[in-house]
Amino acid sequence: AQSVSQHNHHVILSEAASLELGCNYSYGGTVNLFWYVQYPGQHLQLLLKYFSGDPLVKGIKGFEAEFIKSKFSFNLRKPSVQWSDTAEYFCAAGGYQKVTFGTGTKLQVIP
Amino acid sequence: DTAVSQTPKYLVTQMGNDKSIKCEQNLGHDTMYWYKQDSKKFLKIMFSYNNKELIINETVPNRFSPKSPDKAHLNLHINSLELGDSAVYFCASREGLAKNIQYFGAGTRLSVL
Repeated sequence: AQSVSQHNHHVILSEAASLELGCNYSYGGTVNLFWYVQYPGQHLQLLLKYFSGDPLVKGIKGFEAEFIKSKFSFNLRKPSVQWSDTAEYFCAAGGYQKVTFGTGTKLQVIP
Repeated sequence: DTAVSQTPKYLVTQMGNDKSIKCEQNLGHDTMYWYKQDSKKFLKIMFSYNNKELIINETVPNRFSPKSPDKAHLNLHINSLELGDSAVYFCASREGLAKNIQYFGAGTRLSVL
């Protein structure tokens, strides 16, 4: 069965601090990996995705993620967070039809 | 234009009632989904339809019945609502056959009293 684990449930950072959110997945076969962001009161939006190729993926708003196959990980990073990055971040993994989401990490950025 | 739109945005109802949530996408996608997000923000897939046909049906009570009149619409009907049904329900549609990039609606916050 596929599963996605996000180790940090709630992260509090000051503006300009660096961010790394952990994500590990369990999936049989070729996996597609995603990070979605949910701003307060809004719907989920795609932040970035990995299908194949370069394991370092760049997304919107300065976010990037690195796929490390040997560790079954897809951690999200940003060198310098802003107050506007306050949101819930969801890692997801899946194949052809179904995507499994992690339980989310709430990021709070303090000005 | 909103790509994936859900109505209503909020739904407050009594236990035992029957209610429906509607979803429409104007992206031309063939596949649509319903997810339930509980109070702890856990997002769990419920159903998926591809071109009006059911392709994913997770362990969901029979009280939940999806209906897809055409590939642009996927509605969710819930019978005999229970307190545990309170959650935010998200509709999504999928881009591409192999890539599985999903576009989400704004969500419907259902409160069962």
